Amino acid sequence: GQQVMQIPQYQHVQEGEDFTTYCNSSTTLSNIQWYKQRPGGHPVFLIQLVKSGEVKKQKRLTFQFGEAKKNSSLHITATQTTDVGTYFCAGFTSGTYKYIFGTGTRLKVLA
Amino acid sequence: DGGITQSPKYLFRKEGQNVTLSCEQNLNHDAMYWYRQDPGQGLRLIYYSQIVNDFQKGDIAEGYSVSREKKESFPLTVTSAQKNPTAFYLCASRSGEGIYGYTFGSGTRLTVV
Repeated sequence: GQQVMQIPQYQHVQEGEDFTTYCNSSTTLSNIQWYKQRPGGHPVFLIQLVKSGEVKKQKRLTFQFGEAKKNSSLHITATQTTDVGTYFCAGFTSGTYKYIFGTGTRLKVLA
Repeated sequence: DGGITQSPKYLFRKEGQNVTLSCEQNLNHDAMYWYRQDPGQGLRLIYYSQIVNDFQKGDIAEGYSVSREKKESFPLTVTSAQKNPTAFYLCASRSGEGIYGYTFGSGTRLTVV
């Protein structure tokens, strides 16, 4: 079936190091959205990308949508302890228009 | 402020009991969703509703039921038929365009005792 995998599943980094999570879909997506879920909290929408090859930045966060619209990445520069949480990608599949969440990447930042 | 309110925050259920989780939104969103999240896991869709008086099964609907009598409300009942109900339940909604993603409630943690 249609699925969206994220790698890595877990990542521990030292504060100040960079972090990247990759989102790979088995099918073409019409858009990609990213969420952050703090420990014990609920997912919070961060950003949406729609165009092939699109890149967007939010302060230290850089989001990219692949040329084939089947993958995406989130890169955090110089992580801080406030970046701790699980990052999910999600998107609508082209054609069937089903919304699928990725498996998530849990980030821990060591001070 | 607009948002989604889920209650209760914590819920304990005895085996064999049905329990109902509340979800209310004042965002005027048409679509509402229920997700289940197990520790360290992703989100699995239970039920969703695109419009009042209509709802569809998601990927793991067995043992759950919903209703959508009002646009603002989408309660979820966890029935005794759900064999492993202990989980974190998240309600979400989105506007028609969905360009701002889903808005989630703060969740209900259900524990079977």
